[in-house]
Amino acid sequence: GDSVTQMEGPVTLSEEAFLTINCTYTATGYPSLFWYVQYPGEGLQLLLKATKADDKGSNKGFEATYRKETTSFHLEKGSVQVSDSAVYFCALSNQGGNQFYFGTGTSLTVIP
Amino acid sequence: DAGITQSPRHKVTETGTPVTLRCHQTENHRYMYWYRQDPGHGLRLIHYSYGVKDTDKGEVSDGYSVSRSKTEDFLLTLESATSSQTSVYFCAISGGEASTQETQYFGPGTRLLVL
Repeated sequence: GDSVTQMEGPVTLSEEAFLTINCTYTATGYPSLFWYVQYPGEGLQLLLKATKADDKGSNKGFEATYRKETTSFHLEKGSVQVSDSAVYFCALSNQGGNQFYFGTGTSLTVIP
Repeated sequence: DAGITQSPRHKVTETGTPVTLRCHQTENHRYMYWYRQDPGHGLRLIHYSYGVKDTDKGEVSDGYSVSRSKTEDFLLTLESATSSQTSVYFCAISGGEASTQETQYFGPGTRLLVL
């Protein structure tokens, strides 16, 4: 069945460091891919998405490119800030959008 | 932000008591979902609904039931709460405008503690 695998955390970075959080997926057909962010005590918020191969989603300095050949959707940011400290979830949507699969989440802490 | 509210936001209850959590949306989205979030497990789907009175089980449905009598409301009931159901519960919706139809939007969560 469909599934998402993302890198284990926690990840700790210094402010202004480069961030990569790996995400790979297994799916039939042509899923849409998402990154969600969860700040402490809050629900998940959509960070970015891509709906077809080679699409790049971007938001708030974060980027991820839908790579069908490697079945990946890695999240990157060139210079992280303390305010980026949160848990990041990779997810995919299939079958017209009513089936969703989430990774287990990667906790990021950015220290000044 | 999508208009999704959950109530209550926090609840403490005792083992063996029934508990009902409510999710309310003002977006007229077709699909509604209940997830639980636990350390080390990420999000796990409990039940979902694809329309009024149309529901289906998710990955971890044992001990839970749901009802959807109106488009805007999706209720999750723990029939007899157990300590293993202590968790944070999130409601989500999807199926709105075509451009965002396959995107899920989440409520703020309900923290449930079963003693």
